[in-house]
Amino acid sequence: EVQLVESGGGLVQPGGSLRLSCAASEFTFDNYWMTWVRQAPGKGLEWVANIKQDGSEKYYVDSVKGRFTISRDNAKNSLYLQMNSLRAEDTAVYFCARTYSSSWYFFDYWGQGTLVTVSS
Amino acid sequence: QTVVTQEPSFSVSPGGTVTLTCGLSSGSVSSNYYPSWYQQTPGQAPRTLIYSTNTRSSGVPDRFSGSILGNKAALTITGAQADDESDYYCVLYMGSGLWVFGGGTKLTVL
Repeated sequence: EVQLVESGGGLVQPGGSLRLSCAASEFTFDNYWMTWVRQAPGKGLEWVANIKQDGSEKYYVDSVKGRFTISRDNAKNSLYLQMNSLRAEDTAVYFCARTYSSSWYFFDYWGQGTLVTVSS
Repeated sequence: QTVVTQEPSFSVSPGGTVTLTCGLSSGSVSSNYYPSWYQQTPGQAPRTLIYSTNTRSSGVPDRFSGSILGNKAALTITGAQADDESDYYCVLYMGSGLWVFGGGTKLTVL
């Protein structure tokens, strides 16, 4: 069974940094795009960023451009999200999702999420 | 800025049929946006229901169906059950690697 396990969340002060990880297993990681989606408390889902299989293409929602960096290590079957200059509005549960991004376009497996809280 | 619209809330009786929609603030949703639908209960990860407009994800019962109705994508639940009470999200692929989620619909079954 496909597994995605996020880690790295926690409490950070405004302006601080955090690095999220997503460990993937039971599928060929480098065959898939991967995506980060977040959900602020009591709010809806928001697409944050995604990355192509070989890391050659990366896309971001406007609100995180220049502050967040998505990356992956295919040798470690891992996806990352480096978050800098964090703001209160970045407080959310961050999910990683396996992504189809050709022929079909959708997210088929999701992790359970990791909570990021930005507060002083 | 592209806004994907969904009904904030909807109610359906047990055994009834409900259609949730997913539109664009400007323009029409077509299959070219590859609309997909996700179900989420509080505290849980989203569950994939429908992709590419009308393809059910593995294990999803056939009472969930997707379509294009007029200028919107639609998710229809036929024979609603109590455990269908959830939040439902659509997402559209906007091209060039970009995706936009709708605001979600809170479905009540009562």
